[in-house]
Amino acid sequence: GAVVSQHPSWVICKSGTSVKIECRSLDFQATTMFWYRQFPKQSLMLMATSNEGSKATYEQGVEKDKFLINHASLTLSTLTVTSAHPEDSSFYICSAGAGANQPQHFGDGTRLSIL
Amino acid sequence: RKEVEQDPGPFNVPEGATVAFNCTYSNSASQSFFWYRQDCRKEPKLLMSVYSSGNEDGRFTAQLNRASQYISLLIRDSKLSDSATYLCVVNPSGGYNKLIFGAGTRLAVHP
Repeated sequence: GAVVSQHPSWVICKSGTSVKIECRSLDFQATTMFWYRQFPKQSLMLMATSNEGSKATYEQGVEKDKFLINHASLTLSTLTVTSAHPEDSSFYICSAGAGANQPQHFGDGTRLSIL
Repeated sequence: RKEVEQDPGPFNVPEGATVAFNCTYSNSASQSFFWYRQDCRKEPKLLMSVYSSGNEDGRFTAQLNRASQYISLLIRDSKLSDSATYLCVVNPSGGYNKLIFGAGTRLAVHP
């Protein structure tokens, strides 16, 4: 079945650091990938839609200059949290679908802790 | 009104019980529907797609009522391992467009 890999699983770093998270579709090509954030005991919140070869589409309230998305190939999207602060600490998850109207498959998620 | 609404629970049931979760969605033009399961501090995993005619996968049965904009999930013979949060998910536009997630219903199965 469709597999999505996300790396790293855990990041702990100091305030002000920039953190890059990778999302790869391992056995299919994904022109579109999605980035979510989930705070404890809350539902998944879509941050942005990552489009291969073009700019990402950000949801309302998500700062595009803070959360940089690059989707340079059909199997890789990256999310960079720039100048991270403690309030950016969260569970970040990517997803991709193998085809139109197909279910999304999620990466394992990245737990980000900013000290 | 939220785009996808679910009863947050928690549902506390004994092993072997049958439990049903409901979900409503606001966009009548929504194209596809799914149930995902999320364990604590883990990523969501697809449980099953939901088809107009209803579908079953082992102990799990999903149903869709487009007229009422209502989706359900029935779990029979609950196992301890079924304890998780169940997410109702809707693709409102079809294609590769974004999914809309319900807040989830928590299920706790006890011995």
